[in-house]
Amino acid sequence: GQNIDQPTEMTATEGAIVQINCTYQTSGFNGLFWYQQHAGEAPTFLSYNVLDGLEEKGRFSSFLSRSKGYSYLLLKELQMKDSASYLCAVQGGANNLFFGTGTRLTVIP
Amino acid sequence: GAVVSQHPSWVICKSGTSVKIECRSLDFQATTMFWYRQFPKQSLMLMATSNEGSKATYEQGVEKDKFLINHASLTLSTLTVTSAHPEDSSFYICSAPGTGPGELFFGEGSRLTVL
Repeated sequence: GQNIDQPTEMTATEGAIVQINCTYQTSGFNGLFWYQQHAGEAPTFLSYNVLDGLEEKGRFSSFLSRSKGYSYLLLKELQMKDSASYLCAVQGGANNLFFGTGTRLTVIP
Repeated sequence: GAVVSQHPSWVICKSGTSVKIECRSLDFQATTMFWYRQFPKQSLMLMATSNEGSKATYEQGVEKDKFLINHASLTLSTLTVTSAHPEDSSFYICSAPGTGPGELFFGEGSRLTVL
């Protein structure tokens, strides 16, 4: 089975840094994705990690530790528009994606 | 631009009727497509994997006779919600893998409301 955990909600201040954690236990692993999703819209790709370490892309960074079944998404210089749900998803052996519950981030002034 | 197109974006139907949702890959072939369902304030739940030329693979708990999936060609997969009921009201999203490592394209999603 698949088990992917992330916090349900987080609040952070504009301009600050926030880290969203994700732990997983899956029967197969071909990579871990982070998506941003605004209400009523399809997810938007943020990052993909398949090897251990940190992947940096502008204000967003994602980290993976396969041995620990752990990843985090780091958002720097938070903007109001970053208020959204952030979905951690693990790609299984059949290349299908299993999503975590999603973390609803609220950025406050 | 979009590489996976999903249609319709919105659909309202009466209870007991069937609704078909299409997912098309644009400018690339997709032998596999994935169908997800998302209830309000919840994450995406994988429903099934659509395979061109063979039967779909359904996740545990998803009724294959209720959610009919047809992968008629290398660019089209359809999801038909048969005898829809209000509890089937949800956001349905398809996705198709690209050729690059980890590449996955999502459709725009279809919001189904069953009255």
